Amino acid sequence: QVTLRESGPALVKPTQTLTLTCTFSGFSLSTSGMCVSWIRQPPGKALEWLARIDWDDDKYYSTSLKTRLTISKDTSKNQVVLTVTNMDPVDTATYYCARPRGRFGELHDWGQGTLVTVSS
Amino acid sequence: SYVLTQPPSVSVAPGQTARITCGGNNIRSKTVHWYQQKPGQAPVLVVYDDSDRPSGIPERFSGSNSGNTATLTISRVEAGDEADYYCHVWDSSSDHVVFGGGTKLTVL
Repeated sequence: QVTLRESGPALVKPTQTLTLTCTFSGFSLSTSGMCVSWIRQPPGKALEWLARIDWDDDKYYSTSLKTRLTISKDTSKNQVVLTVTNMDPVDTATYYCARPRGRFGELHDWGQGTLVTVSS
Repeated sequence: SYVLTQPPSVSVAPGQTARITCGGNNIRSKTVHWYQQKPGQAPVLVVYDDSDRPSGIPERFSGSNSGNTATLTISRVEAGDEADYYCHVWDSSSDHVVFGGGTKLTVL
């Protein structure tokens, strides 16, 4: 059974850097074909894809946020970390990690999400 | 970049059929996935690869993809189907996941 869980601060100040961790079980990111994505959803708004990291350490980023995002993995800990620099109130959102089927497939498994509020 | 367009809302009476569309340029050339999201919950995959259902999803949920429009069809709608629905494709030209803007399904 695949599970994913997001963790990180609930509140960050403007200009700070957000660091979120996705801890997962039921699969290994060292296995060929495995990937983890990050998606966010501002309150009352649509889903927005942020980034993906693959088993071979390939990384893909949202064009609009590329300069502010960094995704990395720790295979030994079954974790994926996303950092977002220069946080702004418009970045207030629930952040989800999810496992796609392969590089291009559906997001089959999701974490429960973590709400991050940006406020001074 | 590739854009997916969904109607903001769809309303249907219980027992009727709901059709939620997802428009995109030549979307038939892409593989479309659909998610259901209830308030306060993470999205749940209900249709993948245009028309396949994950285990545990009722047969009432079906999908199709043709021309410039993909459609999620929910037959014999129940009150519990009330939720937001999102379509998703992978855009190979930008190496991006693209989501539609979401459709709120209201069961009257």
